Amino acid sequence: SQQGEEDPQALSIQEGENATMNCSYKTSINNLQWYRQNSGRGLVHLILIRSNEREKHSGRLRVTLDTSKKSSSLLITASRAADTASYFCATDALTSYDKVIFGPGTSLSVIP
Amino acid sequence: ETGVTQTPRHLVMGMTNKKSLKCEQHLGHNAMYWYKQSAKKPLELMFVYSLEERVENNSVPSRFSPECPNSSHLFLHLHTLQPEDSALYLCASSQRGTGDGELFFGEGSRLTVL
Repeated sequence: SQQGEEDPQALSIQEGENATMNCSYKTSINNLQWYRQNSGRGLVHLILIRSNEREKHSGRLRVTLDTSKKSSSLLITASRAADTASYFCATDALTSYDKVIFGPGTSLSVIP
Repeated sequence: ETGVTQTPRHLVMGMTNKKSLKCEQHLGHNAMYWYKQSAKKPLELMFVYSLEERVENNSVPSRFSPECPNSSHLFLHLHTLQPEDSALYLCASSQRGTGDGELFFGEGSRLTVL
């Protein structure tokens, strides 16, 4: 399975702290994406990193990708209570480009 | 407005009912997806319609039947469901080929099977 696996499953931090979530996957990929989901809502795309990229920034988000280790990390800096949500990595395999497969997610709680 | 609209947002049905979930995308994308999200489980890809071809997940039971009449509309027909089918059903769209494959999701249809 190409499914990503996020780590940790749950994370609780104080407002203002940084939050780091990790994702591992099993097969070669075209790209890796991170999504956010507020409770009971749809997923919202945060950032995409291609297989030939190593790091990408978007506002308070920083994503790294290590294809040799088949892993990625999402860093949210200066967290806010509004960042409380579940975060998912998703991979788009080389061999089945029509299928974007999600990991189980990390539940982030930011305490005001 | 996310660009992908799902109706209904909530649905309660008995095991003998027949109902349908509807999804409409206003983004001009050429691929649409159905995902199932159950409690404490990863999102499960159910069906993909890409460039007007259907790609199936062979583990999806036949009591779920997708229909994609055009590139903007996607349906999921439900019949003789089981209580374990209760979940949040998410529709998404993307632009395959020329895009990076970002998925744009609707808000989901929360299904409860009694």
